[in-house]
Amino acid sequence: GAGVSQTPSNKVTEKGKYVELRCDPISGHTALYWYRQSLGQGPEFLIYFQGTGAADDSGLPNDRFFAVRPEGSVSTLKIQRTERGDSAVYLCASSSLDGVKETQYFGPGTRLLVL
Amino acid sequence: AQKVTQAQTEISVVEKEDVTLDCVYETRDTTYYLFWYKQPPSGELVFLIRRNSFDEQNEISGRYSWNFQKSTSSFNFTITASQVVDSAVYFCALSAVTSGTYKYIFGTGTRLKVLA
Repeated sequence: GAGVSQTPSNKVTEKGKYVELRCDPISGHTALYWYRQSLGQGPEFLIYFQGTGAADDSGLPNDRFFAVRPEGSVSTLKIQRTERGDSAVYLCASSSLDGVKETQYFGPGTRLLVL
Repeated sequence: AQKVTQAQTEISVVEKEDVTLDCVYETRDTTYYLFWYKQPPSGELVFLIRRNSFDEQNEISGRYSWNFQKSTSSFNFTITASQVVDSAVYFCALSAVTSGTYKYIFGTGTRLKVLA
């Protein structure tokens, strides 16, 4: 596909469950970012991958959150022991190069609802 | 600290009116980039423009124009002759080299409603 894709588009889970959110970046993009957007707020940074490695994970709220990008393309955001406060839209973005000037292109997001 | 402020939470205009969305930013970096994104009801963030800190020239793209003023740390966005399809939430974002990361700092967004 031409753009960033994310699956699932919606995920409903129960408190305490484990969830995985997937991001497929634009082909050839080396940089990948995860953001979280709560209702009425702007996206907030979670983690940034440069290739396969997490170059900056300072935005992950706690150790229940983890992300991987094993082959430098698709990334999975993993949330353990979900809490109601984790409910939000999780956005993935990619850019062709690493750098402050690079434009990030966003996917449609995964809307997570924790009951 | 880096920060982006979009003081206008929601704006309503009647179709064909001009509207300006304000964005004020804070950063200590001398090299930084500013962005505007549109988020329609579908939810996907759509890139509109990128501007670097060394280029204060205003830009126009069709009905859209951007005014970047370093003296007031502002990067305002104007839509001329607004249309119903412009209804969306608009986000301003900042990217600056701090600790080697390239994350975006977003404002809280301005919801624009264009009424027919």
